[in-house]
Amino acid sequence: GENVGLHLPTLSVQEGDNSIINCAYSNSASDYFIWYKQESGKGPQFIIDIRSNMDKRQGQRVTVLLNKTVKHLSLQIAATQPGDSAVYFCAEKDTGFQKLVFGTGTRLLVSP
Amino acid sequence: ETGVTQTPRHLVMGMTNKKSLKCEQHLGHNAMYWYKQSAKKPLELMFVYNFKEQTENNSVPSRFSPECPNSSHLFLHLHTLQPEDSALYLCASSQGTGEREAFFGQGTRLTVV
Repeated sequence: GENVGLHLPTLSVQEGDNSIINCAYSNSASDYFIWYKQESGKGPQFIIDIRSNMDKRQGQRVTVLLNKTVKHLSLQIAATQPGDSAVYFCAEKDTGFQKLVFGTGTRLLVSP
Repeated sequence: ETGVTQTPRHLVMGMTNKKSLKCEQHLGHNAMYWYKQSAKKPLELMFVYNFKEQTENNSVPSRFSPECPNSSHLFLHLHTLQPEDSALYLCASSQGTGEREAFFGQGTRLTVV
């Protein structure tokens, strides 16, 4: 079946650094992608999304890049803060279907 | 606060018990979902409801029985569960099932003993 996977299970950065979290997907029909953040004891929170007709989208301190050629998605966090420490999930959807498929997640640890 | 509320937050039940998980959304969404989150596994979609109609059952065992009485409420009825069913059960809602993000509740941490 199709799967969404993350390259690194844990990413450790210093406060103030920029963080890059990567995600590979295998369903070439996926046309909508989302990044979620999950803090301990909470449900996933929406961060940013991107449609397949775009290759970059910026939010507040976050940027998502989509490379459809190599089926790769990344989340860049600028000036990472301790409050950014969490597990980050990418998710993909083929909008012809209703399933949002999640990756296993990357834990981001931010040291002061 | 995402507008999606799940109760209870924690539940411990024996394998012969019957219990229900509740989800309520105050966002005016018409699609609701149940996900299972186990340690070191991706979130697994269990059920999808769109306008109160079940549109997806992702090969979930019959010991899990969903109910959606209206677009704002979703239940997951549990009976004769197994220890491997212990997980975080997450409810989510979205405006439609297409290119829209889903908003998640805090989850119910279920332990089956």
